[in-house]
This record gives sequence, C-alpha cells and structure tokens, in this order.
Amino acid sequence: AQSVAQPEDQVNVAEGNPLTVKCTYSVSGNPYLFWYVQYPNRGLQFLLKYITGDNLVKGSYGFEAEFNKSQTSFHLKKPSALVSDSALYFCAVSATTDSWGKFQFGAGTQVVVTP
Amino acid sequence: NAGVMQNPRHLVRRRGQEARLRCSPMKGHSHVYWYRQLPEEGLKFMVYLQKENIIDESGMPKERFSAEFPKEGPSILRIQQVVRGDSAAYFCASSPGTSGGRRSSYEQYFGPGTRLTVT
Repeated sequence: AQSVAQPEDQVNVAEGNPLTVKCTYSVSGNPYLFWYVQYPNRGLQFLLKYITGDNLVKGSYGFEAEFNKSQTSFHLKKPSALVSDSALYFCAVSATTDSWGKFQFGAGTQVVVTP
Repeated sequence: NAGVMQNPRHLVRRRGQEARLRCSPMKGHSHVYWYRQLPEEGLKFMVYLQKENIIDESGMPKERFSAEFPKEGPSILRIQQVVRGDSAAYFCASSPGTSGGRRSSYEQYFGPGTRLTVT
C-alpha cells in the first residue's frame, strides 16, 4: 500500500526567505510524485511532478522539488517566498504497481508567508 | 481550453435525499477521478473511471455511493440517502488517456469542487 506523510501541519516563513515543505512517501514499486496547491474554496492546482530522470524538478511559480530515493522524500522548495504563496500544499504519490489513477494525498501543509 | 467543470458548486441536501454531482473533464481527457475532502483533511481517492468503465473503485464506500462516466455526457457521482457524514467537498480530476499503450501525461487536473452540505 502507498502512503504519504507531510509532517508539518503549518509552515511559517517571512516574505523573501526560503520556503520548504516536507513530504515523505512509501510505495511498492517506482513512485510518481506530485505537488499541488489549494487556495481557499478552490480546486487543486498542479505545481510539479517527478516521474523519472533528474532528481531536481522545476515547476510553476518558481517552485522546485528534489526527489531523494534513499530518504523516500520529495520536499518542495522555493528560494524566496511571496505573501501570495500562502496556501495549502499537498504532496501526492502514485505507484507503478497500483492503478495509475489512484493518487494518495498527504494531509496537507498550510503555508503562511508574512510580509 | 476550458478546465475541468463541476456542478453544482454548492449543494444542500436533507438527510435521506439523493445527491448528484457532475463532472465534465478537460477537452481531450478520457480519464476521470473522484476525490473527497473532509474538513481539515486531505483528499481521499474514491474512484477512477474511463468512458463506460470503472477502473478502480477501491475508495468508494460499499453502500449508497455510485459513479459512472457514460459514452456521452459528464461523469456522475451519485450518493443515495445522504447522511450528515457525507458533508464534504467532492473534487473531480481528469487526465489524458494512453497513446500506443503509454500514458501521455501523469498529472491530474482538478475541478473547483462541489461542496455538499447535508442538513
């Protein structure tokens, strides 16, 4: 069975400082990893994905994430946070041994960026 | 290119009534997924459908819930005899199909959700 853990319910960061949102996963087989962002009363917006290849992937709005197979982690990062990055962030995993469409989501991490 | 459409955006039902949630995937997408988000929780997978086929329904409650994606028209998530515990946001997502046996895209694109309130 696959699972995702986001160990922090909330991350607070000052505008202009680096932002990191943590995610660890457990799957059978090779993982496909995703980050999504959700603004209040909205659907999820896709940020980036890791399927194969380079461990560092770049996505929308200046976000990037690093896949670390030995630590089974896929942390989301942004070098300089903006107030507008305040939102709920979800990590998700899908596995090659499971149905392709079955995403397992983490519980989410609320990011608060203060001016 | 319009995104994933869901309607209604808000739905209020009394206990015992039926709720029908509709989802139109993005143009060109043939795979549809339904997720449920309870307050203060992440999204939980419910069901994965292709046109006229249920691929994976391992997340669907055994009773009262059903889903379909007909050849024509939107995907429907149907909840019979709703109870207060069904109150949640229900999200639909879509993705392209396969080409030559390979997936052309892995990410799913989400609609704005339907917020169901059972009174």
